[in-house]
Amino acid sequence: GESVGLHLPTLSVQEGDNSIINCAYSNSASDYFIWYKQESGKGPQFIIDIRSNMDKRQGQRVTVLLNKTVKHLSLQIAATQPGDSAVYFCAENINPSGTGRRALTFGSGTRLQVQP
Amino acid sequence: NAGVTQTPKFQVLKTGQSMTLQCAQDMNHEYMSWYRQDPGMGLRLIHYSVGAGITDQGEVPNGYNVSRSTTEDFPLRLLSAAPSQTSVYFCASSYSSGGRVRDTQYFGPGTRLTVL
Repeated sequence: GESVGLHLPTLSVQEGDNSIINCAYSNSASDYFIWYKQESGKGPQFIIDIRSNMDKRQGQRVTVLLNKTVKHLSLQIAATQPGDSAVYFCAENINPSGTGRRALTFGSGTRLQVQP
Repeated sequence: NAGVTQTPKFQVLKTGQSMTLQCAQDMNHEYMSWYRQDPGMGLRLIHYSVGAGITDQGEVPNGYNVSRSTTEDFPLRLLSAAPSQTSVYFCASSYSSGGRVRDTQYFGPGTRLTVL
């Protein structure tokens, strides 16, 4: 099965509220994580990343938190806007081939719906 | 820079036909990968490459072949198309070092493939 998953398939928030999207991962050897945003009909867009030697990283209106103890990743979006409506994916850097060469694998995604 | 380009944008195949999905990047990225995305699902890793001459299998490699003869190009070949391969295919590239992704992946616009 997949080593990256999400708790909530759909999250609905009011415009201006803060959003929190969660992601659980099972591979303790993962050392790099990325959050992507995907709008309908488009490819994934990079939002923010974090390396395993960090607990928190902030960007513009977004914050990623990494809890290695419980293997949990979250994306916080401040003052959510209608343009934030999309599907959000977390991705982790694992070793699917067993060769030691890593690749990014994705969770199933959370749909964020922002109500005006 | 054109970034990551994919051709064709759309393709319809009959069961048993073969074809090659093209992917090229002009950012001198060592790392390239192919994903498929089924409706309402996340991205699943098919194959990846950390540099010219090196390819590895991802999560769902069966029915697909890849090669990496140059840094710029990473074509994906469907040997004998099946309806189960109907999907949107995304190519991505990134800087890497030590056999792992070290930075965000840039995604192409995708190829929408239908197998009848």
